[in-house]
Amino acid sequence: DVKVTQSSRYLVKRTGEKVFLECVQDMDHENMFWYRQDPGLGLRLIYFSYDVKMKEKGDIPEGYSVSREKKERFSLILESASTNQTSMYLCASTLGTGKTQYFGPGTRLLVL
Amino acid sequence: DQQVKQNSPSLSVQEGRISILNCDYTNSMFDYFLWYKKYPAEGPTFLISISSIKDKNEDGRFTVFLNKSAKHLSLHIVPSQPGDSAVYFCAASGADSWGKFQFGAGTQVVVTP
Repeated sequence: DVKVTQSSRYLVKRTGEKVFLECVQDMDHENMFWYRQDPGLGLRLIYFSYDVKMKEKGDIPEGYSVSREKKERFSLILESASTNQTSMYLCASTLGTGKTQYFGPGTRLLVL
Repeated sequence: DQQVKQNSPSLSVQEGRISILNCDYTNSMFDYFLWYKKYPAEGPTFLISISSIKDKNEDGRFTVFLNKSAKHLSLHIVPSQPGDSAVYFCAASGADSWGKFQFGAGTQVVVTP
């Protein structure tokens, strides 16, 4: 059974802080994704990675960076958090060319 | 501009009746479509998918229909059960977009007894 875990369920940060969101999957999946979910907008892709140390920009990468030093771990970094980054952040993974994404439970981030 | 649209933000249906969720897309390169279900405080979970070479795919109570000419797909849930109350997301991907999916805004389904 695929398991995708995210380091925090809820986070409260101040404007300007550096924020790290971590995602770990235990099924040896090659591909990992970070999305944010906002009301009325659905899920929007921030960044994805198809291999260790590889990353590709998604649709809304501005203000974010990522790190993938190990296959099972994909980190999302907010270099200087802003209030418009208040959102639900979802991590997902897929195996190879598989189409089905397995999602973590999400991190609800509030930036004050 | 959103390439996948779910124009109904919410749907209320009686237990035992049919739920029909709609999804429209604009990108003619999309060739694979999925539906995900999301409960509060949980991540989305895969429900059912369809490739563009088919026009229908069925899995138990869930059936997805694809109308390529209209760029429209729908999810039918028959019969609806209280446990089906959730947010449903439609997602689409194309051969040119490797593994990247565009998601709709979601439809909140409430199944009433």
